[in-house]
Amino acid sequence: EPEVTQTPSHQVTQMGQEVILRCVPISNHLYFYWYRQILGQKVEFLVSFYNNEISEKSEIFDDQFSVERPDGSNFTLKIRSTKLEDSAMYFCASNSGGRQGNEQFFGPGTRLTVL
Amino acid sequence: AQSVTQLGSHVSVSEGALVLLRCNYSSSVPPYLFWYVQYPNQGLQLLLKYTSAATLVKGINGFEAEFKKSETSFHLTKPSAHMSDAAEYFCAVSGPSNQAGTALIFGKGTTLSVSS
Repeated sequence: EPEVTQTPSHQVTQMGQEVILRCVPISNHLYFYWYRQILGQKVEFLVSFYNNEISEKSEIFDDQFSVERPDGSNFTLKIRSTKLEDSAMYFCASNSGGRQGNEQFFGPGTRLTVL
Repeated sequence: AQSVTQLGSHVSVSEGALVLLRCNYSSSVPPYLFWYVQYPNQGLQLLLKYTSAATLVKGINGFEAEFKKSETSFHLTKPSAHMSDAAEYFCAVSGPSNQAGTALIFGKGTTLSVSS
């Protein structure tokens, strides 16, 4: 069964460094998402992406964040200058829309630790 | 604005007992509702979804949920708990538009513990 994959599974970085989290959505999906989950808290929406544009973003998704679909298969989240509070699990999701509506398929996540 | 409230951050049941995890929603439009499960160190897996068809929705692993508009609820149940059901459960509502591309709004989650 097709699934969303994410790399790396765990990333450790120093505060102020740039990180890129990678995701490969399900191949025929058109909509892509990033969410984060700070330890012990709820899953929070960051951004959605469709047709090479951001379609929706939350207040969390400020100028330090950017997303890109560089090659037609990968979907990346970049954090330009990481802060301690960026430490969280980051989930990528995708869906195809249409009859399935907004059912989203999630990857296993990347745990980001900022030191 | 859409929101979800999950009552009870932690629920403990015995193996074989009824599981009831509560979810209430707020939505300005007819909602799409979802239950996801997260096993330790894993991602989110869809258990079931309500998309305005039948109000009683059956999902995987014997779980089901009933949409009650009058109570703005979408509680998750399973008649008989199994040890393997121990996990974190999240209720979610689709954003203002029920179409793909919009955010899922999650509740804070409920940790289900199952004892033998």
